[in-house]
Amino acid sequence: SQELEQSPQSLIVQEGKNLTINCTSSKTLYGLYWYKQKYGEGLIFLMMLQKGGEEKSHEKITAKLDEKKQQSSLHITASQPSHAGIYLCGADVGAAGNKLTFGGGTRVLVKP
Amino acid sequence: NAGVMQNPRHLVRRRGQEARLRCSPMKGHSHVYWYRQLPEEGLKFMVYLQKENIIDESGMPKERFSAEFPKEGPSILRIQQVVRGDSAAYFCASSRGTNTEAFFGQGTRLTVV
Repeated sequence: SQELEQSPQSLIVQEGKNLTINCTSSKTLYGLYWYKQKYGEGLIFLMMLQKGGEEKSHEKITAKLDEKKQQSSLHITASQPSHAGIYLCGADVGAAGNKLTFGGGTRVLVKP
Repeated sequence: NAGVMQNPRHLVRRRGQEARLRCSPMKGHSHVYWYRQLPEEGLKFMVYLQKENIIDESGMPKERFSAEFPKEGPSILRIQQVVRGDSAAYFCASSRGTNTEAFFGQGTRLTVV
């Protein structure tokens, strides 16, 4: 079965510093999704990556998918308190539809 | 364009009762997915539906759980004879098609007492 490992499990950064979260798959990914979840709330869609070597950015968040399509990273530049939350990567296992397998999540805390 | 709408946001049921969770996908989306997030665990896929069809229910418990997505109206996840272990957050997602962006609702938090 598809396994997704996220690292680190948790992260505390000083406001203004950069941070990186990694997501590693045991198999080739057909699609990789990044979401953000705040405690007690739903998932906010951040980005979707499908092609090897693809990179997307939105505001201060950049996501990359490696050439082999087995590893993705999420990078936040100059973090702010609003970036705090749980970041989840989800992988499209290639079956019909968007049946996603999720990593365990990375809990991010930004210290003012 | 409203996002994925789930209701209720919170649901309390006594053991043995039925729970009905509703999900209205985003406008233009015909693919619906249900996920469950147990306390201190990750999100797990339950079922994938298109209008009037169950496409993949490999993540659904064999008993007491059922899902539908009728031609008209929201998708429904039904849990019969709830037990305490069913307490979790249930999320619905929708997409326009396969291998496209999937958007999640706010979830329904089910508490079984």
